[in-house]
Amino acid sequence: DGGITQSPKYLFRKEGQNVTLSCEQNLNHDAMYWYRQDPGQGLRLIYYSQIVNDFQKGDIAEGYSVSREKKESFPLTVTSAQKNPTAFYLCASSLGTFDEQFFGPGTRLTVL
Amino acid sequence: DAKTTQPTSMDCAEGRAANLPCNHSTISGNEYVYWYRQIHSQGPQYIIHGLKNNETNEMASLIITEDRKSSTLILPHATLRDTAVYYCIVRVDGGSYIPTFGRGTSLIVHP
Repeated sequence: DGGITQSPKYLFRKEGQNVTLSCEQNLNHDAMYWYRQDPGQGLRLIYYSQIVNDFQKGDIAEGYSVSREKKESFPLTVTSAQKNPTAFYLCASSLGTFDEQFFGPGTRLTVL
Repeated sequence: DAKTTQPTSMDCAEGRAANLPCNHSTISGNEYVYWYRQIHSQGPQYIIHGLKNNETNEMASLIITEDRKSSTLILPHATLRDTAVYYCIVRVDGGSYIPTFGRGTSLIVHP
């Protein structure tokens, strides 16, 4: 089955620790995105990548980092510099940045 | 980029049509109207999009006014599983544009 996967579904970390969220797609999409969603809010763009080895900051990139070494993978690292990391993180992909997005199931990160 | 305005919440009886409005009064000629929905604790799902003609697919119908300043997403026979947050987005087709998801409309379908 083609799709986009995120793992794990739930993640707990202690304050001050870096944590990396996984996002993989087998849709052969060029573009990938990371969004953050807080309770009762819309989605805010963290980073996006239009092609391998290239990525751009979104609206709330501070405290996050990404890499795009492979077309299929776009991992997000939440660093200790992110002041309020507890949130629901969503990864998406699209054929190009002008195409509809397909979303993964999300990872709910809780920092204790 | 054109912004959209949606009601915060709506409710609908199961089996009835759900009509979700969206205002996009500053939409430009090359911007499409897209609709996504997000069921609780899941990722958003694409529903439908259109430019100026009405569109229909297996999930919903999209009615765009002649002046394109507003649109309505119609779920013809709402079910309990249609309870979700619905996002209306305008974006340029054929050009690089990252959609912005606002708060959307929380639709509750009740028995």
